[in-house]
Amino acid sequence: GESVGLHLPTLSVQEGDNSIINCAYSNSASDYFIWYKQESGKGPQFIIDIRSNMDKRQGQRVTVLLNKTVKHLSLQIAATQPGDSAVYFCAEKGDGNKLVFGAGTILRVKS
Amino acid sequence: ETGVTQTPRHLVMGMTNKKSLKCEQHLGHNAMYWYKQSAKKPLELMFVYSLEERVENNSVPSRFSPECPNSSHLFLHLHTLQPEDSALYLCASSQYVTSTRGANVLTFGAGSRLTVL
Repeated sequence: GESVGLHLPTLSVQEGDNSIINCAYSNSASDYFIWYKQESGKGPQFIIDIRSNMDKRQGQRVTVLLNKTVKHLSLQIAATQPGDSAVYFCAEKGDGNKLVFGAGTILRVKS
Repeated sequence: ETGVTQTPRHLVMGMTNKKSLKCEQHLGHNAMYWYKQSAKKPLELMFVYSLEERVENNSVPSRFSPECPNSSHLFLHLHTLQPEDSALYLCASSQYVTSTRGANVLTFGAGSRLTVL
């Protein structure tokens, strides 16, 4: 079956440093991956996505890396800001086009 | 209004009450979803609607009853709930349910925080 997991439940970083949030997935047939950010009191918000035919994709201050060999996904946030504090979810789309979400990683930014 | 709007934002109900959660999307999407979010657990997909037809029901207890009167509105009717049903209920929409790669981005509402006493 499919499962998506996160290595670190909580990540604390200093403001201005780079953050790396990791995610492992189990379904090698998954062809699409998404990162969502959920701030307190809000619903998940789309950050960035990547297809399985790519290894890297960059957005504004964010980069997603995909390593299909080890089934690992990471989200890198450059120059982390207090507004980046949130829960981050990865999700994979595999069989049946269904999105499977991970449990989430809490990112805390220290000023 | 734009995006996905959910009401009420907070709801407290007893186990014998009947209440409903409402979701409205202003994005012109064809698919709508209900998810349950409990503490420290992954998002659980409950129901999926495509063009007002239910296309997925993930073994959800019958005390949760969805309704999709049109492609812009989705309801979740609640009755005789249990305390373990307390959670954040998230509505989402997407352009299509079955999509080509990369076209299944969900837009979520802010959620309805449900507490069952």
